[in-house]
Amino acid sequence: DTGVSQDPRHKITKRGQNVTFRCDPISEHNRLYWYRQTLGQGPEFLTYFQNEAQLEKSRLLSDRFSAERPKGSFSTLEIQRTEQGDSAMYLCASSLVFGGHGEKLFFGSGTQLSVL
Amino acid sequence: AQTVTQSQPEMSVQEAETVTLSCTYDTSESDYYLFWYKQPPSRQMILVIRQEAYKQQNATENRFSVNFQKAAKSFSLKISDSQLGDAAMYFCAYRSSGGSNYKLTFGKGTLLTVNP
Repeated sequence: DTGVSQDPRHKITKRGQNVTFRCDPISEHNRLYWYRQTLGQGPEFLTYFQNEAQLEKSRLLSDRFSAERPKGSFSTLEIQRTEQGDSAMYLCASSLVFGGHGEKLFFGSGTQLSVL
Repeated sequence: AQTVTQSQPEMSVQEAETVTLSCTYDTSESDYYLFWYKQPPSRQMILVIRQEAYKQQNATENRFSVNFQKAAKSFSLKISDSQLGDAAMYFCAYRSSGGSNYKLTFGKGTLLTVNP
């Protein structure tokens, strides 16, 4: 168990390009979350999956943002037509949920996106 | 909607001394969870301590303890015998136990410096 892994650690892109981030959760975890953290702020919830089902996505910032978790394992977060305002750190977290209580989130080290 | 406020952007403490970080929150719910997370320069969010609102007893984890005042909606973190490794950004977070129990709502954080 190596924890939650995110790739890449840093991404620099030009405005208008598409970017994709990957998150590998802890292997037995059934929930996976995406958060966004901008400078001077706490993380902000974006979306989450229970196994392969995306149960909440209304907090995704626009229709340029999309996330997938095929087969309930790793997840990808894609941003299309990036804008400078998308520059932020994108955090992934996973957890094992049972009985609705006792959930503990484990976070990755994030992907820092810079849009030029 | 729930909000979390951390009124201290920065705090400092001498090594081996005690420091208290403040957090207040706003909610109309009676059952919820409160958390303190630590984010060191490595960027990985690490759970420090957790409190269930239905428990009157304050949570403790080694040198870390909380003062949970439910009526006042206050949730402060006390770090005793501060160590250089405690230097980090600390975030207070709220999670509902009801319909929005899938997401954490974070404060803006308090940057803690530990002086040798």
